[in-house]
Amino acid sequence: AQKITQTQPGMFVQEKEAVTLDCTYDTSDPSYGLFWYKQPSSGEMIFLIYQGSYDQQNATEGRYSLNFQKARKSANLVISASQLGDSAMYFCAMIPRRRIQGAQKLVFGQGTRLTINP
Amino acid sequence: DGGITQSPKYLFRKEGQNVTLSCEQNLNHDAMYWYRQDPGQGLRLIYYSQIVNDFQKGDIAEGYSVSREKKESFPLTVTSAQKNPTAFYLCASSVAGGRYTQYFGPGTRLTVL
Repeated sequence: AQKITQTQPGMFVQEKEAVTLDCTYDTSDPSYGLFWYKQPSSGEMIFLIYQGSYDQQNATEGRYSLNFQKARKSANLVISASQLGDSAMYFCAMIPRRRIQGAQKLVFGQGTRLTINP
Repeated sequence: DGGITQSPKYLFRKEGQNVTLSCEQNLNHDAMYWYRQDPGQGLRLIYYSQIVNDFQKGDIAEGYSVSREKKESFPLTVTSAQKNPTAFYLCASSVAGGRYTQYFGPGTRLTVL
């Protein structure tokens, strides 16, 4: 079974600073994918970034980057130059990547509430 | 614009009533999912469907039912058997391969009065 742990219930950061949100995972699957989603107060889950377990490089998407350390089973999200609009809940999630095509169950962590102060 | 729509945005139900939450997608995705989110918590999987006329129970399926008669639609019925249905419900869809990235609708907030 997969498990995601996010140990920071809340974080407060000054605008324009970089912020790192922690995520550790546990799985016995040799191949898996890791995701980060943002959930603003409106409730919609917004996909931010993806990292495959066999990807050689850390994923980047604009101001978002994923610090993937496979041996430590960690997949931390780094947001550079934070903005007021980054204030939201952030969820780490993982999925097994199995040979059988079809729907796959996404397992979520408990989330981290990020607040950006002006 | 391609995306996922959910309706209604807010839903109020009396105890003992069944209610149906709508989820429609025009992304041409084969797989669709329903999640439940309680305050301050992560998402838990209720049901998922890989293809039309096929669906599987997730981790918390008791008290819920679904149908998948069309590729675009995956409605969720919250039955009177669900003991604590007040929650935020999110629908998602994905391609049935590759990264399996799931894209979400705006959600429905259900309150039992």
